[in-house]
Amino acid sequence: HLQASGSVLANPSGTLSLTCTVSGADIRDSSWNWIRQPPGKGLEWIGSISHTGNTNYNPSLKPRVTLSINTWKTQFSLELTSVTAADTALYYCATSLRSSPSYMDTWGQGSLVTVSS
Amino acid sequence: EVVMTQSPGTLSVHPQDRATLSCTASQDIGSNLAWYQQKPGQPPRLLIYDTSIRATDIPARFSGSRSGTEFTLAIDSLQTDDPAVYYCQQYDDWSPITFGQGTRLEIK
Repeated sequence: HLQASGSVLANPSGTLSLTCTVSGADIRDSSWNWIRQPPGKGLEWIGSISHTGNTNYNPSLKPRVTLSINTWKTQFSLELTSVTAADTALYYCATSLRSSPSYMDTWGQGSLVTVSS
Repeated sequence: EVVMTQSPGTLSVHPQDRATLSCTASQDIGSNLAWYQQKPGQPPRLLIYDTSIRATDIPARFSGSRSGTEFTLAIDSLQTDDPAVYYCQQYDDWSPITFGQGTRLEIK
């Protein structure tokens, strides 16, 4: 089970922060992903982090994205800086059973973040 | 970046008929392709991975295949529960992982 929480509203040029809490799975296995979906649109992969902290980012977002993981708290987090209205989206956290580029086998419900002043 | 192109944009099929959805990769991705089903208000649900392996609890009505860089999701005996948006996703390369734009499946 995955549950995202964090920023619901972010200011333009500010920072969006989300945390995904993992239950019923060992965060030390697999890799952990963030994917977003603007309202009424398709899916965009943001990045992945392994339990050892190894990260891979979408090049289009890489300058603004940081993923981190806290195995003690069974949480992993997303920080997106310099946000604009184009970053308004439903943000999903999801697991991958493989550490290599992979499909996402379990998804959280998503957390809607709106960028607006 | 690997571009994934899905067709058609919308597909309307009679109940109990077969639906065929396509996804074409802009370059060779091997068999590193997954399919997801997304219903309104829900997160995507994994259907198929590695081109043709059904995920846990996915019925045999769903099947995946590949011909070169063209991938197909077939749904046999369409049920009233099947209308949704279906996405393909390639994971051959990290830079970046990409999704198709989706096919909306409707029942006639």
